[in-house]
Amino acid sequence: QSALTQPPSASGSPGQSVTISCTGTSSDVGGYNYVSWYQQHPGKAPKLIIYEVSERPSGVPDRFSGSKSGNTASLTVSGLQAEDEADYYCSSYAGFNTLGLFGGGTKLTVL
Amino acid sequence: EVHLLESGGGLVQPGGSLRLSCAASGFTFSSYAMNWVRQAPGKGLEWVSHISGSGDSTFYADSVKGRFSISRDNSKNTLHLQMNSLRVEDTALYYCAREPMYYDYIWGSYRGEYHFDQWGQGTLVTVSS
Repeated sequence: QSALTQPPSASGSPGQSVTISCTGTSSDVGGYNYVSWYQQHPGKAPKLIIYEVSERPSGVPDRFSGSKSGNTASLTVSGLQAEDEADYYCSSYAGFNTLGLFGGGTKLTVL
Repeated sequence: EVHLLESGGGLVQPGGSLRLSCAASGFTFSSYAMNWVRQAPGKGLEWVSHISGSGDSTFYADSVKGRFSISRDNSKNTLHLQMNSLRVEDTALYYCAREPMYYDYIWGSYRGEYHFDQWGQGTLVTVSS
C-alpha cells in the first residue's frame, strides 16, 4: 500500500481558513469512512482531531472540520490561530491487514 | 487521566533485537485495541502493528511482518513489541496508541474503530553499527 498523498505545506493568516487535502484510492479513502486526522506540534506526540471523516473528539475546537469526496479527504481549519501551526497527518483504513495508512504530512504555517 | 508510557528503546546493531513496552493507566485497558506507530527522524507517521483488546487478533505492516511481534498483558495493563532482525530503516520514535473498539453484531465480535485517540510520548529506537 502506498502512503496517502498530502501537500507538503499549507499556510494562511490568522483568522483565515485553510484546507488540507489527502488523496488516496478506492481501496482506502474512497472505500471506507474511516479517515482520521492528527495534529503534531514539534517534539510532541500526535493528537487526534478528526475521526470517521468528520467527527470531532471532545475538546477539539469546532474550527477543525473534515469531509470527503470520492478518493480525497479534506481537513479545514477555520479562524486560523497561531497555535494551529503544526504538522497534520491524515490516515485511512485500507482493508484487512492495513489498519492505518498515513499520509506524508502537511506543515501548516500561520503567517 | 489516560496515560501511556513507552519504554525499552535504545541503540542496537543491525540484526539485533529489542523489546518495547507501553504501560497504560487511567482506562480499562482490555476494552481497547492497541497499536504501535513509528516516526523516523524528520519523517511522517507509519503504522506498525495492531492487537485486539483480548489479544487474540494481531496485524502487522508489511515492512515488519515476520520480524516484529505484538502482545499484551491485560492483567498488568501493558503492551509489548518484540522487534527482531532489526534494520537501519527501523530507526524511529515508536509510539503506542490506543484504538477504541465497538461491538459488531454482524460479526459477533469487537472490532477496532481504525483511529488512535490517545498516544504515548514515544521511545526512540536507533539501529546502527
